[in-house]
Amino acid sequence: NAGVTQTPKFRILKIGQSMTLQCTQDMNHNYMYWYRQDPGMGLKLIYYSVGAGITDKGEVPNGYNVSRSTTEDFPLRLELAAPSQTSVYFCASSYSLGQGRYGYTFGSGTRLTVV
Amino acid sequence: QQPVQSPQAVILREGEDAVINCSSSKALYSVHWYRQKHGEAPVFLMILLKGGEQKGHEKISASFNEKKQQSSLYLTASQLSYSGTYFCGTATNSGGYQKVTFGTGTKLQVIP
Repeated sequence: NAGVTQTPKFRILKIGQSMTLQCTQDMNHNYMYWYRQDPGMGLKLIYYSVGAGITDKGEVPNGYNVSRSTTEDFPLRLELAAPSQTSVYFCASSYSLGQGRYGYTFGSGTRLTVV
Repeated sequence: QQPVQSPQAVILREGEDAVINCSSSKALYSVHWYRQKHGEAPVFLMILLKGGEQKGHEKISASFNEKKQQSSLYLTASQLSYSGTYFCGTATNSGGYQKVTFGTGTKLQVIP
């Protein structure tokens, strides 16, 4: 059981370049999320998905796109990289603990620098 | 709106106790607590649902007062392994996906 796997771990982009951050989970979780974490700050929700084919915006979606063609994969796309997108990106999935409770499992993160 | 955590940082000696608070301006359905060590992903500690419950995880426990829209995390007899940044996350509804808003974190350092 690998859990939530993110690739790459590190990346440096030039302004205006595009890239896709990959996220895969093997736990058959329906709910998946993308968060960004700026230095010394908490996590901010970019996009989330409640199942294959269904995605929705979070707090800070501008400059990003997502897709969810399968339960396992939830890639995050940056189309025109900007310095403001320099951050650590975490993918997560959530699972039921029963009785209305949910826990989150996070990937190990992607550290992105835009120069 | 982001929950507010206090204190922002705390230094403890091994064996000492600490309390971390999390407050929200919105009515809450649930509160999550996570610990993140430097350079690593956040790790889920526990979730509390409205109803004023308390939960425990080893010597770490938490309470949730829904009337005050507050939760507190209690670390008892701290160990070096407790060092890290603690985040609370709040959810305002019982939607199946539990969209969670995270606080800015409390940095805890335990020293020998």
